[in-house]
Amino acid sequence: KQEVTQIPAALSVPEGENLVLNCSFTDSAIYNLQWFRQDPGKGLTSLLLIQSSQREQTSGRLNASLDKSSGRSTLYIAASQPGDSATYLCAVSSLRTSGSRLTFGEGTQLTVNP
Amino acid sequence: DTEVTQTPKHLVMGMTNKKSLKCEQHMGHRAMYWYKQKAKKPPELMFVYSYEKLSINESVPSRFSPECPNSSLLNLHLHALQPEDSALYLCASSQLVSLYGYTFGSGTRLTVV
Repeated sequence: KQEVTQIPAALSVPEGENLVLNCSFTDSAIYNLQWFRQDPGKGLTSLLLIQSSQREQTSGRLNASLDKSSGRSTLYIAASQPGDSATYLCAVSSLRTSGSRLTFGEGTQLTVNP
Repeated sequence: DTEVTQTPKHLVMGMTNKKSLKCEQHMGHRAMYWYKQKAKKPPELMFVYSYEKLSINESVPSRFSPECPNSSLLNLHLHALQPEDSALYLCASSQLVSLYGYTFGSGTRLTVV
């Protein structure tokens, strides 16, 4: 059974700092890994999708890496801003479940202080 | 159109009421999902529809009844709910093998009184 762990559970940083969120998963047989952002009481916004054959994806100030063999992904946020404050969820789509479900981590709650 | 639209955004219902949540997408995705999310927890899968057929039911109580009338629409019918069913209900869609990831709606905040 796929298990996804995110570290840290919560993070508070001053504005402008670069930061790294970590995600690990137990089964490397994945289709892809997706990072989401969730604001309080809102839906999930997809940030980055990394296919199992890829090593990284970039979008603006965000960079996500994937090391499938070691079961790890990181989300790097450059020059953080107060508007980045949200919960960040990592989710993997597993081959053994035919890609029909996502397994989520518990999330990292990020607070960026002005 | 790259969105999943959910209605209503908020719903308050009594334990004897019958209500429905609606979800719509026009991305040509043939897999659609219902998730339930409690506060400070990740989303939990409830149902999966593939080609308008129910393919996964994660042992959800029968007071939740899903329906997929066509490839663009997904409903969740609610009846005789309990206060512990209060949560954010999220709809998502994807291509069948999810190679392009999942797209989530903004959710329906359900409160059962």
